[in-house]
Amino acid sequence: GAGVSQSPRYKVAKRGQDVALRCDPISGHVSLFWYQQALGQGPEFLTYFQNEAQLDKSGLPSDRFFAERPEGSVSTLKIQRTQQEDSAVYLCASSPDRGRVNTEAFFGQGTRLTVV
Amino acid sequence: KQEVTQIPAALSVPEGENLVLNCSFTDSAIYNLQWFRQDPGKGLTSLLLIQSSQREQTSGRLNASLDKSSGRSTLYIAASQPGDSATYLCAVSNAGKSTFGDGTTLTVKP
Repeated sequence: GAGVSQSPRYKVAKRGQDVALRCDPISGHVSLFWYQQALGQGPEFLTYFQNEAQLDKSGLPSDRFFAERPEGSVSTLKIQRTQQEDSAVYLCASSPDRGRVNTEAFFGQGTRLTVV
Repeated sequence: KQEVTQIPAALSVPEGENLVLNCSFTDSAIYNLQWFRQDPGKGLTSLLLIQSSQREQTSGRLNASLDKSSGRSTLYIAASQPGDSATYLCAVSNAGKSTFGDGTTLTVKP
C-alpha cells in the first residue's frame, strides 16, 4: 500500500479483555516501531523491530503487552487483560533503513483504544 | 534518559504572521531530529528531517534548524495560514527509537 495501515481504527474493550492491534508497514520497510500516545501528550516509545527481530522492547509498560512481527512485515501488538490506563492511541511507524542515520519514520493513522 | 521539551504548549496567531516553534532536548547524542504535524484524531505527518550532521532543512514555507551542541531546534513557519492549524511535534532519534515532545498546538485565525 501507499502508507502505513493500522487496524482497527477504533477499539472499545471491556476491562480484562484481550485485544490485538495490527500494523501493515510500507512494503519493504525494514524497521517498525510501536508508540503509545495519551491524550494531549506526545507519543511514547513501546518497541522496535528490525525485520522480524525485536531489538528493543524497553518501552512496553508491563508484561501484559506483547508485540510480534514473525515474517518481518505485518506486526501485531497484543494487550492482555486490558486496564483503563491502557486507553490511548497506539501508533505504528515504519522506516526503510536499519534505524540509524537517514531514518525518516512514516506513521499510520493509529488505533484508538478505549477500555471501559 | 532523553527528554524533549516544546515551548510554547499552545500558540494563537493571526493569518499571515511568521512564527517560531521551539524544541529542546537533553542528550545531544542523536542521529536525527524530525518535525511532525498532527491533526486532531489523525496520525503524524512528517514535515522535515534533519540529520545530526546538518544545520537546517527547508520545505516550502517551513524551515527547521538544529543546534545539536546546545540541544535545540526551531521550526519557522512563514506567512501562516488557517490550514497550518494543528499540533506540531518534534522527535529526536537514537538507536532506533524516537523521543517526542508533547507538542505545540497552533491556531491560525483567519
